[in-house]
Amino acid sequence: QVQLVESGGGLVKPGGSLRLSCAASGFAISDYYMTWIRQAPGKGLEWVSYISSSGSNTYYPDSVKGRFTISRDNARNSLYLQMNSLRAEDTAVYYCAREAIATAGVFDYWGQGTLVTVSS
Amino acid sequence: IVMTQSPATLSVSPGERATLSCRASQIINSNLAWYQQKPGQAPRLLIYGASTRATGIPARFSGTGSGTEFTLTISSLQSDDFAVYYCQQYNNWPQLTFGGGTKVEIK
Repeated sequence: QVQLVESGGGLVKPGGSLRLSCAASGFAISDYYMTWIRQAPGKGLEWVSYISSSGSNTYYPDSVKGRFTISRDNARNSLYLQMNSLRAEDTAVYYCAREAIATAGVFDYWGQGTLVTVSS
Repeated sequence: IVMTQSPATLSVSPGERATLSCRASQIINSNLAWYQQKPGQAPRLLIYGASTRATGIPARFSGTGSGTEFTLTISSLQSDDFAVYYCQQYNNWPQLTFGGGTKVEIK
């Protein structure tokens, strides 16, 4: 069955860096656009990055552009998020999600998330 | 595009109907999805295309609307349905936005 498992979260100081990973199983990520979506504690959902199936195209909202980098390793069936210059407002649970193959912008499978805490 | 959900909290008795609203700040056609999230869990896709149920979603969940006004209806609330529900627009792909959520709680 389809499974997404995030890892790499933790406590980091403001200005620090962290790299999140998402290991996929039950499907080939090379066939799908993938994304990272975050949720601050007690808050709603915010999309933070997108990557095309080949990895040649990436997209970010202004809130993280220039600080976050999404990448993928299709051979390892894994997705990554490099987060630099972290701020307190980046504190959140980070989910990786698979975009539905027939409907761009809809996410049919999500991981359980990994918590990133930015604090001194 | 700003997505506004109402009410923020909805108190409903089991077996009753729940009606959740979502409004977009500009026209998004039918490019709207609904997700359900339970505490400590990831969101689950319920509806896309404003009215198409995702695989495995019970028929008691239905979505309507187009343009800027959308509704998610749960026809007869089961105990498993008490959760937070989010709407999300994808008309402005890849700049996706979610609503603030509606919490459906037991009355």
